[in-house]
Amino acid sequence: DTAVSQTPKYLVTQMGNDKSIKCEQNLGHDTMYWYKQDSKKFLKIMFSYNNKELIINETVPNRFSPKSPDKAHLNLHINSLELGDSAVYFCASTQGQAPGEAFFGQGTRLTVV
Amino acid sequence: AQRVTQPEKLLSVFKGAPVELKCNYSYSGSPELFWYVQYSRQRLQLLLRHISRESIKGFTADLNKGETSFHLKKPFAQEEDSAMYYCALQCMEYGNKLVFGAGTILRVKS
Repeated sequence: DTAVSQTPKYLVTQMGNDKSIKCEQNLGHDTMYWYKQDSKKFLKIMFSYNNKELIINETVPNRFSPKSPDKAHLNLHINSLELGDSAVYFCASTQGQAPGEAFFGQGTRLTVV
Repeated sequence: AQRVTQPEKLLSVFKGAPVELKCNYSYSGSPELFWYVQYSRQRLQLLLRHISRESIKGFTADLNKGETSFHLKKPFAQEEDSAMYYCALQCMEYGNKLVFGAGTILRVKS
């Protein structure tokens, strides 16, 4: 059983499009995160949600909008995609707000052309 | 500001040689540090955390508050240790987020 699953695994799209990445966890965790890994493999947090409430909102363009319909899901919607948005996006979850023991999804490789 | 520094982008060693992946941090609060590992084509996973003082797959890491370091060590590297290693700092005052270092690629040669 996959603990944290993201779809799609790969996403290639044109500049200006709007796309969504979905994340689901079946661990019963109450906190979920989105991280961005850039081309240099640098990993940085974007958002976190605890029980559907936004907890962390880093300096991210407002073209990025997370949505958490329930505590098992955290989706990432991106409007007006730009070349610089190309990266690998990782979803993660923890129980409580203790991110040290985070379970990560396999990542979504987004390529904007 | 909170920051994690991994000075080596790539560390290449021979099988059986000792390994030390360096990690230094900057944080005004009480630090909680972790090492995560990402094997080829696999997801990021927790390797070890300083509070548990455990040894996983032969790796250990000691928190040195005086030197603000949390280096990852293994006495004898194995080929299956080849992976990307991230040091991470938990920041309690900032929504409990994890701040990652830039990562170090470990290559173990036969």
